Amino acid sequence: DAGVIQSPRHEVTEMGQEVTLRCKPISGHDYLFWYRQTMMRGLELLIYFNNNVPIDDSGMPEDRFSAKMPNASFSTLKIQPSEPRDSAVYFCASSTLRGQETQYFGPGTRLLVL
Amino acid sequence: SQQGEEDPQALSIQEGENATMNCSYKTSINNLQWYRQNSGRGLVHLILIRSNEREKHSGRLRVTLDTSKKSSSLLITASRAADTASYFCATDERYGKLTFGQGTILTVHP
Repeated sequence: DAGVIQSPRHEVTEMGQEVTLRCKPISGHDYLFWYRQTMMRGLELLIYFNNNVPIDDSGMPEDRFSAKMPNASFSTLKIQPSEPRDSAVYFCASSTLRGQETQYFGPGTRLLVL
Repeated sequence: SQQGEEDPQALSIQEGENATMNCSYKTSINNLQWYRQNSGRGLVHLILIRSNEREKHSGRLRVTLDTSKKSSSLLITASRAADTASYFCATDERYGKLTFGQGTILTVHP
């Protein structure tokens, strides 16, 4: 199994640009999570899906952030417009059965907004 | 808000020594997990302990859970340079959601 796949691995963009991060969960996993990691705030849960349906988006910082999961094998996290404070590492994770069980993390996307 | 809080924030030891990290949490849980993160990588699951368990072993890892004190500890025995990483505890705050602590940075010197 390839594990959770994220793209791109690195993204450098200018303030105001749209950024789209992509994730492919492990096949058969019905929970998908988006996290953001910064030195100041640690690892924060942004949103999670169960069977492609958003369950909890209370961690999404602002309306500039949106996430979709059109099918069981693909999810996107979009930031529009991006700001320098969005610079962070964004992780996607997936799990099976119940969301509190083991989560499998992707390698992350390192985003830098100039 | 962070549910789990790790202690210490940083730990530096020599190869062969044991490393102990602690985690405290605030609300009742169903399970507690420990993850490792190597620099620049995603988190990797190490071990899960359920609320009705007191101790669990996996290789050189030993995890304890004290629900009365709302605390857990992770012991790595006979540490190796390859154990150098950040270690996070995570608790299931509510259904379908994990909350991670700030992590302990472990450095093992060869």
